[in-house]
Amino acid sequence: DAGVIQSPRHEVTEMGQEVTLRCKPISGHDYLFWYRQTMMRGLELLIYFNNNVPIDDSGMPEDRFSAKMPNASFSTLKIQPSEPRDSAVYFCASSLLAGGAREQFFGPGTRLTVL
Amino acid sequence: KNQVEQSPQSLIILEGKNCTLQCNYTVSPFSNLRWYKQDTGRGPVSLTIMTFSENTKSNGRYTATLDADTKQSSLHITASQLSDSASYICVVRALGNAGNMLTFGGGTRLMVKP
Repeated sequence: DAGVIQSPRHEVTEMGQEVTLRCKPISGHDYLFWYRQTMMRGLELLIYFNNNVPIDDSGMPEDRFSAKMPNASFSTLKIQPSEPRDSAVYFCASSLLAGGAREQFFGPGTRLTVL
Repeated sequence: KNQVEQSPQSLIILEGKNCTLQCNYTVSPFSNLRWYKQDTGRGPVSLTIMTFSENTKSNGRYTATLDADTKQSSLHITASQLSDSASYICVVRALGNAGNMLTFGGGTRLMVKP
């Protein structure tokens, strides 16, 4: 299995531009998570999906952030308009079930820099 | 409020030496605790998981301990190698089946020097 796939791996954009991050979860996993990691705040859960349905988006920082999961094998996280404080590494993770000892498998991340 | 505190924040050791990383948590009700290793530029990868009834668990040169009474865990690395240089993140899960039951520590950044 290729694991969780994220693209792009690096993104540099200017303030005000739209940014779209992409994720392909592990086949068969029914939970998908989007995280943001910064030096100051560590890993933070932004939103998660179960069977393509958003369950909890309380971690999404502002209305500028939106996420979709049109099917079981693809999800996007969009920032519009982007701001310098959005600069971070964004991780997608997937798991089979959400509770108990179920492990979340992380993708390699997208490093976003907003100038 | 559920919290996970890790110490030290960073650590430098010489290759071949041992080290111990600490994790204190206030997550309740407790389900399990997982240690992740995150190499630079990569996503976190699970090293080991500890449940309430487990005191010690080993994975090669990595040994994790859990004291559920004091709500503390440690990760001991034996005979460190250059490839151990990474961030180590302690993650505690609360009981429940929701997907937002994880609390992440801030991580310990370990550097192993030759």
